[in-house]
Amino acid sequence: GDSVTQMEGPVTLSEEAFLTINCTYTATGYPSLFWYVQYPGEGLQLLLKATKADDKGSNKGFEATYRKETTSFHLEKGSVQVSDSAVYFCAFRESYIPTFGRGTSLIVHP
Amino acid sequence: DAGVIQSPRHEVTEMGQEVTLRCKPISGHDYLFWYRQTMMRGLELLIYFNNNVPIDDSGMPEDRFSAKMPNASFSTLKIQPSEPRDSAVYFCASSRGYPVDEQFFGPGTRLTVL
Repeated sequence: GDSVTQMEGPVTLSEEAFLTINCTYTATGYPSLFWYVQYPGEGLQLLLKATKADDKGSNKGFEATYRKETTSFHLEKGSVQVSDSAVYFCAFRESYIPTFGRGTSLIVHP
Repeated sequence: DAGVIQSPRHEVTEMGQEVTLRCKPISGHDYLFWYRQTMMRGLELLIYFNNNVPIDDSGMPEDRFSAKMPNASFSTLKIQPSEPRDSAVYFCASSRGYPVDEQFFGPGTRLTVL
C-alpha cells in the first residue's frame, strides 16, 4: 500500500553542518509531496512542498526536489542552526488523505 | 487568521473519566482531521470529515472513541471511558480539498490518563 519511508533519527549535527534527511514514497499515482516540521510542544507546520516532478520546494534555507524516477523527496540544508532542532516529517497527498512518515528528529549542537 | 484552535492544551484525568477535546478549523477549510501522536506509534490518523460529514473513521481505535462535527467551525473528539493507554498528544488539522493542499495543524492537546 501507499507509504512513506524516512531515515531513522535522531540526526545529530554541529551548527553550520550540511543536512540531508532521506525520504522515499510508494504511491500509485502522482502525489503532492510535503515536508512538515514540528518544534517541541507544537503542532506540525508546513516547511515546503512540491506538486509535480522536478519541482523544487524551498523555505528557510531548506530544499527538496520531487524525483519521480526515484520516488524520493530528500530534505537538504547547507548550514543548519541550533534553531533547526525539531522533528521533520515527510508526507505525500495523492487523494484527500495524506500519508506521513514516522518523522526524523534533528538535534543541532552549538 | 487565527489558525486551527484546539482546547484544552493539556488535560489530566483519571481512568474511566470522559474526556472531550475540541477543535475549531480554519474558516473555509472543508476537510478536518483528528490525529493521535505517540512515541511508539508516531502520527496516526483517527478520523476525517468532509463538509462536516465523517468520511473515514477506520483509524478510531475502539468504540470508546467518538468524533462529531456539528457545524463547519467546530469538532469534538470524545473518549469515554478513558484509559491510561489513551495518553498521547491529539492534533486537529484542517485543509482545503481542492487543489490538494497542505494541512494546517493545531497546537495539540496533551492528554494524560492516570
